[in-house]
Amino acid sequence: QVQLVESGGGVVQPGTSLRLSCAASGFTFSTYGMHWVRQAPGKGPEWVALIWNDGTNKYYTDSVKGRLTISRDNSKNTLYLQMNTLRAEDTAVYYCARDAGPGAQIWFDLWGQGTLVIVSS
Amino acid sequence: DIQMTQSPSTLSASVGDRVTITCRASQSIAIYLNWYQQKPGKAPNLLIYAASSLQSGVPSRFSGSGSGTDFTLTISSLQPEDFATYYCQQSFTTRALTFGGGTKVTSK
Repeated sequence: QVQLVESGGGVVQPGTSLRLSCAASGFTFSTYGMHWVRQAPGKGPEWVALIWNDGTNKYYTDSVKGRLTISRDNSKNTLYLQMNTLRAEDTAVYYCARDAGPGAQIWFDLWGQGTLVIVSS
Repeated sequence: DIQMTQSPSTLSASVGDRVTITCRASQSIAIYLNWYQQKPGKAPNLLIYAASSLQSGVPSRFSGSGSGTDFTLTISSLQPEDFATYYCQQSFTTRALTFGGGTKVTSK
């Protein structure tokens, strides 16, 4: 079954860290670029980060640069998001998403169910 | 970053209606525009990619058009399962992907 399953969310205090995981199954994980997309309560989706299929290149939205790090382990079919120095504005449901677009075009054809991160004191 | 503006933000319609949602980019994005449907508590679901290509498994009542800065998503005959929120997303700038603010389709 083709799916993505996120885990690792929770309630944390500002300034602390959290690591999200996304387990992929049913497809050849190592051939796809992967993304993290988040959605704050009542808001639209916000793209967070991209990692190429081989992990050689990574890109981030400006608001998370230097604090969030995307990585992957193709031997474990798993995508990660290391979240450091968390802020209240990082509170959101975090989705991992598969990049199905060819070359420069990017569209998300497969999403996980999401994992909720709440940053609050 | 490229700003994506959707209109209207809310749309009231009845089953069987033809529904059109507009997405405008702050600069030309060629056809690097995708559309998603999202229902409460669920992840977004891809409907249209590259402005007008229908994603596999998506009903043919959904269609997309446009290029440059102006795009539309059309539902030819609204079905009960289509009441949801719709988002556009540009990928012209692959290192700064952005979504529109959403259009919520509600029952009249």
